[in-house]
Amino acid sequence: KNEVEQSPQNLTAQEGEFITINCSYSVGISALHWLQQHPGGGIVSLFMLSSGKKKHGRLIATINIQEKHSSLHITASHPRDSAVYICAVRLNSNYQLIWGAGTKLIIKP
Amino acid sequence: DAGVTQSPTHLIKTRGQHVTLRCSPISGHKSVSWYQQVLGQGPQFIFQYYEKEERGRGNFPDRFSARQFPNYSSELNVNALLLGDSALYLCASSLLSYNEQFFGPGTRLTVL
Repeated sequence: KNEVEQSPQNLTAQEGEFITINCSYSVGISALHWLQQHPGGGIVSLFMLSSGKKKHGRLIATINIQEKHSSLHITASHPRDSAVYICAVRLNSNYQLIWGAGTKLIIKP
Repeated sequence: DAGVTQSPTHLIKTRGQHVTLRCSPISGHKSVSWYQQVLGQGPQFIFQYYEKEERGRGNFPDRFSARQFPNYSSELNVNALLLGDSALYLCASSLLSYNEQFFGPGTRLTVL
């Protein structure tokens, strides 16, 4: 079993829909990251959180430390949101980042 | 202000050769991490350096090595290349070893 599990693996939605991507982890962490990767490889850090909730524009990230679960939400989705969204956790022990496999999101106009 | 830069952007090598990848962190950042991303998979941690010292090493063979220079730039070296080393190699910098990481555009290595 992977230490970081994301769901769904693939998600296709229509423009305007509310999107939720989930991340569960099984290790002790000091922080959880949500990152966005566009075709061609560039990775952009969206959020780093260790508790509660963060919001940036149409993106919202939440984390429940007790349940070892985080969600990334996108409101009013747009085709430009199409990308791979990756959850990565920073281990308590050595600050190493353990990555999920990513969720490929396609938003159709 | 420049972000994380990596060079080269693309590289083609043959099996058995050696490769050196370079990374320049954001100005003021003291930590650099290297990741390997094989097509269709999430990135895998290779190394983290902070203040020129290795702070973490992932599950990679000794053919992989790295170093960090006094100006905090870093090199990743891979010896005796294998076909399986073909991947996108990502560098990320952070202010300290445990802060939010900022990623470079990556170097795409193809081993033939």
